[in-house]
Amino acid sequence: SQQGEEDPQALSIQEGENATMNCSYKTSINNLQWYRQNSGRGLVHLILIRSNEREKHSGRLRVTLDTSKKSSSLLITASRAADTASYFCATGGSGNTPLVFGKGTRLSVIA
Amino acid sequence: NAGVTQTPKFQVLKTGQSMTLQCAQDMNHNSMYWYRQDPGMGLRLIYYSASEGTTDKGEVPNGYNVSRLNKREFSLRLESAAPSQTSVYFCASGAGITGELFFGEGSRLTVL
Repeated sequence: SQQGEEDPQALSIQEGENATMNCSYKTSINNLQWYRQNSGRGLVHLILIRSNEREKHSGRLRVTLDTSKKSSSLLITASRAADTASYFCATGGSGNTPLVFGKGTRLSVIA
Repeated sequence: NAGVTQTPKFQVLKTGQSMTLQCAQDMNHNSMYWYRQDPGMGLRLIYYSASEGTTDKGEVPNGYNVSRLNKREFSLRLESAAPSQTSVYFCASGAGITGELFFGEGSRLTVL
């Protein structure tokens, strides 16, 4: 069963605006990752944040993690039409349990 | 850089037919995975191989078998295809079991 649940399911914004997506999960994690999937393509890794980290940046991406609330957010600043894609969070547990993916957020950036 | 290569990209089967999806990675990764993606369901893990010589069931293993042929290759077999197996299948690999994954471009399977 899915561990992470993204919110919202779909998001539509204008180019230049910021996009925020949230992910909630249920059990303790070792790390949380975000992936992007362009239409008809495979998933591409964006960023990984470990359970002992609270915030991480990569270019226009900012990820936060609140382990007390079991939630994470992905912020894309100054969005572009090319950011149109589905975004998935994935949680990595302890030991040898593989990543579990959420159902994703579909982001549409309108030029 | 090829990364993760899946074949075939598209396949149409009739109910009851069998087929094998092939996956190969050239990154010397230990772990390999097969996921299926259905509309509104996200990615669900079918089987994975944490290292060469081992395979384990994921969330939705029924109706599938896998073979970790060597460190590079991990195949997924449908012995008797059913319409419920119509889906997009993704192979992925990673250095470790909870680290970053690298995905193939997907294999789109339709079972009539």
